Amino acid sequence: ETGVTQTPRHLVMGMTNKKSLKCEQHLGHNAMYWYKQSAKKPLELMFVYSLEERVENNSVPSRFSPECPNSSHLFLHLHTLQPEDSALYLCASSQEAELNQPQHFGDGTRLSIL
Amino acid sequence: DAKTTQPPSMDCAEGRAANLPCNHSTISGNEYVYWYRQIHSQGPQYIIHGLKNNETNEMASLIITEDRKSSTLILPHATLRDTAVYYCIVRVELSTGNQFYFGTGTSLTVIP
Repeated sequence: ETGVTQTPRHLVMGMTNKKSLKCEQHLGHNAMYWYKQSAKKPLELMFVYSLEERVENNSVPSRFSPECPNSSHLFLHLHTLQPEDSALYLCASSQEAELNQPQHFGDGTRLSIL
Repeated sequence: DAKTTQPPSMDCAEGRAANLPCNHSTISGNEYVYWYRQIHSQGPQYIIHGLKNNETNEMASLIITEDRKSSTLILPHATLRDTAVYYCIVRVELSTGNQFYFGTGTSLTVIP
C-alpha cells in the first residue's frame, strides 16, 4: 500500500479513442507527477503539478493533456495516441515539488495502443 | 547521456548484506542522490536519499563518497522480498526545471 492509487491498471485503446488515466494520493502531499516508463528505457518525467498548478511540462506532445482539479487527484487525458505511446504510466506525489523531497509512486497503468 | 552508472545485475545470499554501487561522476553540488527499487509489476518504491552525509533508515544505509562521485546502497540483511531492480537517481537541474532522472538500474536477486 503506497498511498498513491492509479486506475485503471491496464488499458488497451485504439489510436482514435479518447481515454483518461486517474491518480489519487492519500498522503496529504502538495505535488503530483506523471512519468512514462517505456521498455528498457529510463523513467521519463512528463508533468509536475504543485498545489494544482502545472510547474513543469517536459516537451510532452499535446495528445497528452493533464488535469489536476485538486491536490489529491491527477488525471492524464489521452487523445489520438500513437503506437509508440504504449508504456507504463506512473503517477507519483511528494510533500512539495522541491529538490530534496522523496516521491511516492503508484503501481502504474499499463497502456497498449493498437 | 547517463547521469548514473550501475552494474546491470547482482546476486546476494539471503541474510547477507547487499552492497549496490552507483557512479555519478557528473553530479553537481546541490543535486541529491536517491535510491528507489521496483519490484516486478509495481511502481518504484522510495528507499533513501542523501546529499553529502551518509544516511540510514529502517530499510537501508546510503554511503556517499567524499567527492560525491559515487555512492553505495547497503541492505544490511537481504531477504527474498528484496529481489527487485534498484535505481540510483540524481535529481538533475535543467533549464526547464528539475528532473528526477532514473538510470537503467541493478537487478538484485536474493538467493535462498
